[in-house]
Amino acid sequence: GQQLNQSPQSMFIQEGEDVSMNCTSSSIFNTWLWYKQDPGEGPVLLIALYKAGELTSNGRLTAQFGITRKDSFLNISASIPSDVGIYFCAGYGSSNTGKLIFGQGTTLQVKP
Amino acid sequence: GAVVSQHPSRVICKSGTSVKIECRSLDFQATTMFWYRQFPKQSLMLMATSNEGSKATYEQGVEKDKFLINHASLTLSTLTVTSAHPEDSSFYICSATKTSGSLTDTQYFGPGTRLTVL
Repeated sequence: GQQLNQSPQSMFIQEGEDVSMNCTSSSIFNTWLWYKQDPGEGPVLLIALYKAGELTSNGRLTAQFGITRKDSFLNISASIPSDVGIYFCAGYGSSNTGKLIFGQGTTLQVKP
Repeated sequence: GAVVSQHPSRVICKSGTSVKIECRSLDFQATTMFWYRQFPKQSLMLMATSNEGSKATYEQGVEKDKFLINHASLTLSTLTVTSAHPEDSSFYICSATKTSGSLTDTQYFGPGTRLTVL
């Protein structure tokens, strides 16, 4: 089946730094979603991308749907301590099964 | 909005008992709800897809007789873990999509239920 490779697996950064993480696949995706999960909570939707090349911002977050439809990135600018958590990319593949495919997650730690 | 709630948030039960977890869409109608399981430091694993008024579709390897799913209305789906054992201890998360009918609808997740089986 279709898979997503998310990197990096973890990041430990200083408050104020910018962060970038990405997801890639060997096959085409129709939709990309970025979620954040805090410990003991469910994932919260950050940004949804529906068209190739689409660039969308949500506050300090910016995500793009890759032009090849096989990748997406999420940037966080000027990180703050509350950005700590696990970030997941997810997408609907071209096989159109209606099942959301998840990346492995990127654990972000921010040092004040 | 798109708020999904789960109840209970935490449950501890004895081995052999059954536990029911509720998933509700609070401000929208959900044609489809999904149940996931998540182990520590891992990603979400889809267990089953639940459509209102019909039988759930289970993923390969998920026992349908052990994990009973009922989607009786457009705002409520329940997952019952029957005869729970310690290996069923996990974080169970539901999600829901709005009734647009598209297979690529955004999924909105509940806050999760931590199940501990003693």
